[in-house]
Amino acid sequence: EDQVTQSPEALRLQEGESSSLNCSYTVSGLRGLFWYRQDPGKGPEFLFTLYSAGEEKEKERLKATLTKKESFLHITAPKPEDSATYLCAVLVYGGSQGNLIFGKGTKLSVKP
Amino acid sequence: ETGVTQSPTHLIKTRGQQVTLRCSSQSGHNTVSWYQQALGQGPQFIFQYYREEENGRGNFPPRFSGLQFPNYSSELNVNALELDDSALYLCASGLVAGPRAGELFFGEGSRLTVL
Repeated sequence: EDQVTQSPEALRLQEGESSSLNCSYTVSGLRGLFWYRQDPGKGPEFLFTLYSAGEEKEKERLKATLTKKESFLHITAPKPEDSATYLCAVLVYGGSQGNLIFGKGTKLSVKP
Repeated sequence: ETGVTQSPTHLIKTRGQQVTLRCSSQSGHNTVSWYQQALGQGPQFIFQYYREEENGRGNFPPRFSGLQFPNYSSELNVNALELDDSALYLCASGLVAGPRAGELFFGEGSRLTVL
């Protein structure tokens, strides 16, 4: 069974304290891995797509990396406005393009 | 470029009733997917529509049904509501082919409470 596991469930950081979020996956065939940000009561906001091991993407203070078994979302010098739940999702071969399998997310809190 | 819009934003129903949720896709997108997100969980795939036909379905019973219209707007219908149907319902649009296939853009969601 295709599965996505995110850790930690919650992470509290001080402003400027860099850290990483983990997304491990077990899938039959990875077509793509996606990171989303979700604010309370809102829909997920697309951040990155990664397709192959070794690939990296960056956006402001965020950097996503991918290996054959997991992905990391690195947050450098976070600010309070980075506080949100970060969701990881995979798209697998054999499924429809709209069928993303999500993890439960990591809730990030950044204190000033 | 308009984003994905959903209505209503909040609604309350009683067990056994029926509900219809609506979604307008982002312009230029040709596929729409619906997800259910329970509190503290990641979104779960309900189904996808492409060319007005269901193009994939998750582990949800037949009382969850949908429609896609020629203008790519969409509806999610849920019959015989149960308490466990209380959740945030998310609509997402995207492209079925090309380099960005699989990238989904979500609306703000419809919060359904079943009493």
